[in-house]
Amino acid sequence: EAGVTQSPTHLIKTRGQQATLRCSPISGHTSVYWYQQALGLGLQFLLWYDEGEERNRGNFPPRFSGRQFPNYSSELNVNALELEDSALYLCASSLVAIDTQYFGPGTRLTVL
Amino acid sequence: GESVGLHLPTLSVQEGDNSIINCAYSNSASDYFIWYKQESGKGPQFIIDIRSNMDKRQGQRVTVLLNKTVKHLSLQIAATQPGDSAVYFCAEKVGQGAQKLVFGQGTRLTINP
Repeated sequence: EAGVTQSPTHLIKTRGQQATLRCSPISGHTSVYWYQQALGLGLQFLLWYDEGEERNRGNFPPRFSGRQFPNYSSELNVNALELEDSALYLCASSLVAIDTQYFGPGTRLTVL
Repeated sequence: GESVGLHLPTLSVQEGDNSIINCAYSNSASDYFIWYKQESGKGPQFIIDIRSNMDKRQGQRVTVLLNKTVKHLSLQIAATQPGDSAVYFCAEKVGQGAQKLVFGQGTRLTINP
């Protein structure tokens, strides 16, 4: 069974640009979660999508947004990039109403 | 506020010894806890979980202990192997239906040959 996949693996942008990160959940999973992991730090919850709807949001500014598509894949968009947005962005998925989240390999975003 | 913390940021053990990684949590209403292992350059990998109605759960070479009285969680790894070297995170599910995991800062486990 394929796990959570994310693309691209690495992304380099400059300040002020926009970044789009993609995630495909495990087959059959309807919930998708996004986390930010800055270097040397733990994971910070960003967003939770289920059945195409945003269900919960972490303490991040509105320039962090996303969506979930009918096939349950998801996109994370970060507008007006700032240097401190440089981090590993992790996507996880779970079955609806099941707590265990399974993570993808992440997208390393570097903002120059 | 919500916080999940770890007592030690680094832990070194000899290959073959047992490891114990500790974690403290602050939300007494949390009912679900997970341990993840993250190797360099990879995403967190699920190891084992436990619900608040249990105080112990065992997997293959791993045991999680939950002490709700003192809000403490631990991960025990038996007969550590070089492949166990990684950063270990505990995570706590907060909020009914919120599906939000709060992660600790992580403990780096190094296995010495």
